[in-house]
Amino acid sequence: DAGITQSPRHKVTETGTPVTLRCHQTENHRYMYWYRQDPGHGLRLIHYSYGVKDTDKGEVSDGYSVSRSKTEDFLLTLESATSSQTSVYFCAISEAPQGPRTEAFFGQGTRLTVV
Amino acid sequence: QQQVKQSPQSLIVQKGGISIINCAYENTAFDYFPWYQQFPGKGPALLIAIRPDVSEKKEGRFTISFNKSAKQFSLHIMDSQPGDSATYFCAASMQTGANNLFFGTGTRLTVIP
Repeated sequence: DAGITQSPRHKVTETGTPVTLRCHQTENHRYMYWYRQDPGHGLRLIHYSYGVKDTDKGEVSDGYSVSRSKTEDFLLTLESATSSQTSVYFCAISEAPQGPRTEAFFGQGTRLTVV
Repeated sequence: QQQVKQSPQSLIVQKGGISIINCAYENTAFDYFPWYQQFPGKGPALLIAIRPDVSEKKEGRFTISFNKSAKQFSLHIMDSQPGDSATYFCAASMQTGANNLFFGTGTRLTVIP
């Protein structure tokens, strides 16, 4: 999986608790992305990073924050988890903006359940 | 609002048959159309992609057909094999920001031996 490690792989948490998901890469790629995957919606971009401390919002960013203090790590935080954030979360990386000459590689996902 | 509409939601094909998955979009600014393949418990992986300046791209048993005027594109899997059983996502992006991908809702393909 292109040197991408997501942790934890599975997590069950209670509504209202903070949760942090970690994405670690060993490829030294500049771009990192967080997606969520839900039935009937496919994958939707939450946030992305284009360098250390450089992040921007995606399609479904409400309720999520991110941080990138090192090239290799991209953290996704749910400040106060809600049941609507139950999902499978995927991290992806790419050398440059994903497109015709730059493939995005995905991690194996983190299944988060908010009860 | 789903930027890329994908159908069917699920598909069952006999081994050796042709699998066809269709996608449609509205935003004419999209200029890159990849297809991703996802096996259970794994992340999506790029399968094949096309730019709108060509009408067809073929890689092995996989072909993308692209109709720019109709704003539609499709994936054809020839001689479908049980190992092709997976979920397939079409996507689209435009050259802005991080060229963020907008995904279709996915098609679960099952190839029966």
